[in-house]
Amino acid sequence: EPEVTQTPSHQVTQMGQEVILRCVPISNHLYFYWYRQILGQKVEFLVSFYNNEISEKSEIFDDQFSVERPDGSNFTLKIRSTKLEDSAMYFCASSQGTGANVLTFGAGSRLTVL
Amino acid sequence: QKEVEQDPGPLSVPEGAIVSLNCTYSNSAFQYFMWYRQYSRKGPELLMYTYSSGNKEDGRFTAQVDKSSKYISLFIRDSQPSDSATYLCAMISGGSYIPTFGRGTSLIVHP
Repeated sequence: EPEVTQTPSHQVTQMGQEVILRCVPISNHLYFYWYRQILGQKVEFLVSFYNNEISEKSEIFDDQFSVERPDGSNFTLKIRSTKLEDSAMYFCASSQGTGANVLTFGAGSRLTVL
Repeated sequence: QKEVEQDPGPLSVPEGAIVSLNCTYSNSAFQYFMWYRQYSRKGPELLMYTYSSGNKEDGRFTAQVDKSSKYISLFIRDSQPSDSATYLCAMISGGSYIPTFGRGTSLIVHP
């Protein structure tokens, strides 16, 4: 069964450093997403990406964040100047964008900012 | 008022019990309703989705939507220890394609 793969599974970084989280969406999906889940809290939408540009973003997705699809397969989330409160699980997801728009999630990348 | 409300639990039941998980919502524009299951330190995986009011059954799982009350439920029959996970409801409005998630209900099924 096709799956969304994410790397790294866990990243530890110092406050102020830049982090890049990587995702390989399902190959025939057109929409890509990043969600965040702080420990014990809900899954929060960050950004969606379609046709090589951001299609929607939440209030959380400020100038500290950026996304990119550098080649035909990878989808990345860059977090600049990380803060303690950026510590969370970051989930990548992809979908075909039709009907109920069912998202397929990756296993997540755990970011720990010290 | 939050758009999607879901009791975080935990809900602890014995094996074989019927489990009822619920969400309420405030946005009448929500049209698609989904249930995701999330095991510890894993990504959410889709269990079921429904479009209209009524029931949808898939094996031991039944999803129920009552749009008039803005209330959705997931029933699990003959619950198993392997059902122990967090169950998240998610909804999409007609004018969007971005799911809004509830905070999830932690379910523990003990042998």
